[in-house]
Amino acid sequence: ILNVEQSPQSLHVQEGDSTNFTCSFPSSNFYALHWYRWETAKSPEALFVMTLNGDEKKKGRISATLNTKEGYSYLYIKGSQPEDSATYLCAFLSRDDKIIFGKGTRLHILP
Amino acid sequence: DSGVTQTPKHLITATGQRVTLRCSPRSGDLSVYWYQQSLDQGLQFLIHYYNGEERAKGNILERFSAQQFPDLHSELNLSSLELGDSALYFCASSVGVGTGGYTEAFFGQGTRLTVV
Repeated sequence: ILNVEQSPQSLHVQEGDSTNFTCSFPSSNFYALHWYRWETAKSPEALFVMTLNGDEKKKGRISATLNTKEGYSYLYIKGSQPEDSATYLCAFLSRDDKIIFGKGTRLHILP
Repeated sequence: DSGVTQTPKHLITATGQRVTLRCSPRSGDLSVYWYQQSLDQGLQFLIHYYNGEERAKGNILERFSAQQFPDLHSELNLSSLELGDSALYFCASSVGVGTGGYTEAFFGQGTRLTVV
């Protein structure tokens, strides 16, 4: 059974602090990893598409790394702002077209 | 606005009934994905269509079916509905080169289905 785990489930971070969280996925049959940001009452919005081992992607204060050999990806947020409050989802895409989402990390930024 | 349109936004129906959810992908996107989000579950992948053909199936029940039409819009048909089918159903689209994994997916606003 393919499993994608995200940790922590929930995180409270002071405004201005930096934070990171993890997505663990199967290291075999890897095709791609997607990160999404999901705000309450909205739909998920793509952050990064990661495909190669060692990939590092950056969008403003948010960045992500990928290790396909050991099956994990980190998402980093630098200098958290209130608008960063959201659930961050990762999705593992396998070579046989399976798509498995983690349950997400819910991030709360404290003013 | 992601450019993906889902209708209806809300649907309330009785057990045993059948409903059809509709998705119009972004202009130019060939891939359409359907997902289900129940209360205690994360997003569950149901099915993927690419340019009119089924590409992959996830945890889709036999009571559910989907299709993608020549104009690339897609419909998800849910039949013999049960209380447990109440969920938020999302459609997403991507350019979908190959399996689409290399390109980001854009999500619609979802259809909230309530089975009573």
